[in-house]
Amino acid sequence: QKEVEQNSGPLSVPEGAIASLNCTYSDRGSQSFFWYRQYSGKSPELIMSIYSNGDKEDGRFTAQLNKASQYVSLLIRDSQPSDSATYLCAVLTSGGSYIPTFGRGTSLIVHP
Amino acid sequence: DAGVIQSPRHEVTEMGQEVTLRCKPISGHDYLFWYRQTMMRGLELLIYFNNNVPIDDSGMPEDRFSAKMPNASFSTLKIQPSEPRDSAVYFCASTQDQGGLYGYTFGSGTRLTVV
Repeated sequence: QKEVEQNSGPLSVPEGAIASLNCTYSDRGSQSFFWYRQYSGKSPELIMSIYSNGDKEDGRFTAQLNKASQYVSLLIRDSQPSDSATYLCAVLTSGGSYIPTFGRGTSLIVHP
Repeated sequence: DAGVIQSPRHEVTEMGQEVTLRCKPISGHDYLFWYRQTMMRGLELLIYFNNNVPIDDSGMPEDRFSAKMPNASFSTLKIQPSEPRDSAVYFCASTQDQGGLYGYTFGSGTRLTVV
């Protein structure tokens, strides 16, 4: 069973702080990694993808990948109340159907 | 493009009734996915299509569930008969490539309540 694990939270941070969201995966052969944001009552939307070890920055978002330790993280700098949402980690595992496996998500609350 | 369009947005039905959920993918997206989301199990893949052909339906919970894609612009997910445990949000998503390297575009979802 290929698994993607996330702490369900909620993770509560003050406005302006850095929010750190983590995700671990079981399949060492995983190739591609994605972060989706899902506002309450809405559908998931892709915000970041990362394929190589290291950091990838996009505005206030930074995705970090460490394949040796089998984890991927998402950092949100200068967190805003509008960042309050559930963040889903998705991992494209090796072999088989090449369909990403989604984690159950971490709820983030940014309070003023 | 209007994005992935799902209907209805909400559906309340009685146990035993047939439910049909509808989806129109983004034009040009060759892959269409049906997901179900619950608090307990998160986002689960039910079935996906490539060029209107069902590729993997191993996530379909049981024979009460069926899905079709008669053409590139329309897909249905049918539950017959429905049960209370089918209550969930059902998402349709489409993408240009199987692995979602360009990301999946999700529809707004159908919130199904079976009473």
